[in-house]
Amino acid sequence: DAMVIQNPRYQVTQFGKPVTLSCSQTLNHNVMYWYQQKSSQAPKLLFHYYDKDFNNEADTPDNFQSRRPNTSFCFLDIRSPGLGDAAMYLCATSRGGARETQYFGPGTRLLVL
Amino acid sequence: QQQVKQSPQSLIVQKGGISIINCAYENTAFDYFPWYQQFPGKGPALLIAIRPDVSEKKEGRFTISFNKSAKQFSLHIMDSQPGDSATYFCAASRRSSNTGKLIFGQGTTLQVKP
Repeated sequence: DAMVIQNPRYQVTQFGKPVTLSCSQTLNHNVMYWYQQKSSQAPKLLFHYYDKDFNNEADTPDNFQSRRPNTSFCFLDIRSPGLGDAAMYLCATSRGGARETQYFGPGTRLLVL
Repeated sequence: QQQVKQSPQSLIVQKGGISIINCAYENTAFDYFPWYQQFPGKGPALLIAIRPDVSEKKEGRFTISFNKSAKQFSLHIMDSQPGDSATYFCAASRRSSNTGKLIFGQGTTLQVKP
């Protein structure tokens, strides 16, 4: 029944070592989002795809990249993780449109050593 | 103008009491106001949402009150239960957004004491 699946649930990486987080969806939604959420803070949108169209937030560091090879999958690549990148990374999907519900995955907790 | 301001940051309520969380916005282009509930270690989930053409929406114990002229909206949780203990985020999106981009408030951590 899982609709938005994130793997892994926990990821430990070393400072500067590239890491990839994965998201898949069974909802066939047009839009996929990546959020970063730090402790006791709101989710912060990093970027999103509407189908194949990529939309980067202005304040998203270049260190963060994303790929969406098909409708179902989306990846978050952190090229050189720093200690400040330790956070929960949330993937969400929606059909698109201002009043559509966003469905969030359970998140990947990233720890940077 | 892009911000949604949420208060209080944290809230402690006794079981059976009413929890009230408030949000305010500036951008009159916002036309959809959802509330998301997040439990520890989980992703947020939509709780309830309102459009600006209605002043109140109720779903079970959860009610959104909306004041368009004041640009404020609030979540009321009636008969609060320990299972309601979670972080609540208000949000807003613009009618022009085809991607449904949400602007989140800062979040309120609710603790309901037995």
